[in-house]
Amino acid sequence: SQTIHQWPATLVQPVGSPLSLECTVEGTSNPNLYWYRQAAGRGLQLLFYSVGIGQISSEVPQNLSASRPQDRQFILSSKKLLLSDSGFYLCAWSRLQVTNYGYTFGSGTRLTVV
Amino acid sequence: AQSVTQLGSHVSVSEGALVLLRCNYSSSVPPYLFWYVQYPNQGLQLLLKYTSAATLVKGINGFEAEFKKSETSFHLTKPSAHMSDAAEYFCAVGEPTGGFKTIFGAGTRLFVKA
Repeated sequence: SQTIHQWPATLVQPVGSPLSLECTVEGTSNPNLYWYRQAAGRGLQLLFYSVGIGQISSEVPQNLSASRPQDRQFILSSKKLLLSDSGFYLCAWSRLQVTNYGYTFGSGTRLTVV
Repeated sequence: AQSVTQLGSHVSVSEGALVLLRCNYSSSVPPYLFWYVQYPNQGLQLLLKYTSAATLVKGINGFEAEFKKSETSFHLTKPSAHMSDAAEYFCAVGEPTGGFKTIFGAGTRLFVKA
């Protein structure tokens, strides 16, 4: 069966520090991968998506970047965190080029920038 | 471009009462529609999905949703609320091309009173 792992679960970082969140998928190959952010009391904002290794599409210009160094690995990074980067970050995967499959989400990372 | 509108950011029902969470969508092509549930500090879990096979879709935990093309709606219902249903619910529409992204509504938080 397919599983998705996301870590860390919680993170408190000072303003100006770097960030690296990792997401890995097991049990499938060539997945579509996604990073979403959920601010307190708000819906989900799509940040990045990837349909293959090294292929990253950005949805929102911001302080963050994403990379996909391996087929089932998706990394969210920042060189210098801002207070506004605080939120709940969710990684998700879906079958390649199949919109009707639905997403499987990781358990999320709660990031607090202080 | 697709969009999703969830009517009511908060819904409160008594235990045993009908649950009705409203969702309207905008799509230029036949849509793929989803409902997800999110419990506190967790990722989202797929409840059910509409993929044009049947207009009445049954999901997990006793939930179901009916696709009404004429009303561009996909409302979520459950005949009898249980305390464990208290969570946030997201309606979503999938894009069939490009990055096969899913657009989420702002979410509706369901409260269940004893």
